Amino acid sequence: QVQLHESGPGLVKPSQTLSLTCTVSGASISGSDYYWSWIRQPPGGGLEWIGFIYYNGNTYSNPSLKSRVTISVDTSKNQFSLKLSSMTPADTAVYYCARDSDRDRLDYWGQGTLVTVSS
Amino acid sequence: IQLTQSPSFLSASIGDRVTITCRASQGIRSYLAWYQQKPGKAPNLLIYAASTLQSGVPSRFSGSGSGTEFTLTISSLQPEDFATYHCQQLNSYPYSFGQGTKLEIK
Repeated sequence: QVQLHESGPGLVKPSQTLSLTCTVSGASISGSDYYWSWIRQPPGGGLEWIGFIYYNGNTYSNPSLKSRVTISVDTSKNQFSLKLSSMTPADTAVYYCARDSDRDRLDYWGQGTLVTVSS
Repeated sequence: IQLTQSPSFLSASIGDRVTITCRASQGIRSYLAWYQQKPGKAPNLLIYAASTLQSGVPSRFSGSGSGTEFTLTISSLQPEDFATYHCQQLNSYPYSFGQGTKLEIK
């Protein structure tokens, strides 16, 4: 079955850049019907959609994060990645990767990884 | 697009029928999904396209609506249904979520 797994540091210092990778198994990241998203959730808070990437490299990022977001894809490894620059404590959250099927649902999610921003 | 869920908190008993509403700040056709989230877990897709039940989801869950007003109904609450529910619009970028509805046992 389809599985997604986030990996990356659990602790990031303020002003640093967060780098996370999502490894996909059970499905090809190059599937034409799929988009690959990042979502985050601060402790006790709601969900915020960060952005997506398509296998051909097309991306869209939430304007709320301005130009801090970079999303990339490595089809040879069946992975996609998130970089979020200029981290502050407000970016402390559980970060999820998810598959967007047909652009109408996030049907598979990773288990999430908690990222804490602290010096 | 802003999504507003009501209520934010809901207390109910086993066997109750409950309805959660999600209102969009502008029309989103039927591009609305509902997710269930339990503590420490990722959200789980319940409903998409406003009313399509995701495979494997019990039939006591149903969704309706289009345009700006949507509802999620659980016909008879089971113990495993106590969780937080989120709506999400996928009509236009950036996608957005409602603030969540926490369903607790009365």
